[in-house]
Amino acid sequence: QKEVEQDPGPLSVPEGAIVSLNCTYSNSAFQYFMWYRQYSRKGPELLMYTYSSGNKEDGRFTAQVDKSSKYISLFIRDSQPSDSATYLCAMSGSGGGADGLTFGKGTHLIIQP
Amino acid sequence: DTGVSQDPRHKITKRGQNVTFRCDPISEHNRLYWYRQTLGQGPEFLTYFQNEAQLEKSRLLSDRFSAERPKGSFSTLEIQRTEQGDSAMYLCASTPPKKGGYTFGSGTRLTVV
Repeated sequence: QKEVEQDPGPLSVPEGAIVSLNCTYSNSAFQYFMWYRQYSRKGPELLMYTYSSGNKEDGRFTAQVDKSSKYISLFIRDSQPSDSATYLCAMSGSGGGADGLTFGKGTHLIIQP
Repeated sequence: DTGVSQDPRHKITKRGQNVTFRCDPISEHNRLYWYRQTLGQGPEFLTYFQNEAQLEKSRLLSDRFSAERPKGSFSTLEIQRTEQGDSAMYLCASTPPKKGGYTFGSGTRLTVV
């Protein structure tokens, strides 16, 4: 079992729909959770950064972390064609940076106009 | 602040040649990371610098891989005797002294022929 599991998709939804993306993980030492968006042949772009459990909202994006279930989610409201990209979840422990980030495989999202 | 800069954007090399990539992090970021990303996978952590000190290098894929950050500013990643399996996107990221989300560069795409 990989440390971080993420459905690669593709996930195709109509414009304006609410998108739900999620990851599960096995390492209980993870404390920092991130979501990145990656367009083809580009580097990942940080969308959301959260510490421990709880919710965080930023514009059309909401990140949720449930450490008891080892489950994190990203919701995108009012989805736009420009949201079409690969979404990567990433997480790390409290190793001061030396543990790096552990990523999921990424979910390929397609927003149909 | 121009973000994390990587050079070159694309490198094509013959098997057996050595290649070197450069990363310029955000100026106030003292932590620097190298990752490798292959098609359909999330980035894979390789190595970590805090200022000029390389604090994690056990994840480098083989002894053909090495990285430096001589003055705590830019960093280089070198691959010696390249193999076709080294073909991938090599990503650099940096973070500020306090814990925060990683900012990635656009990556260097390596093709070994």
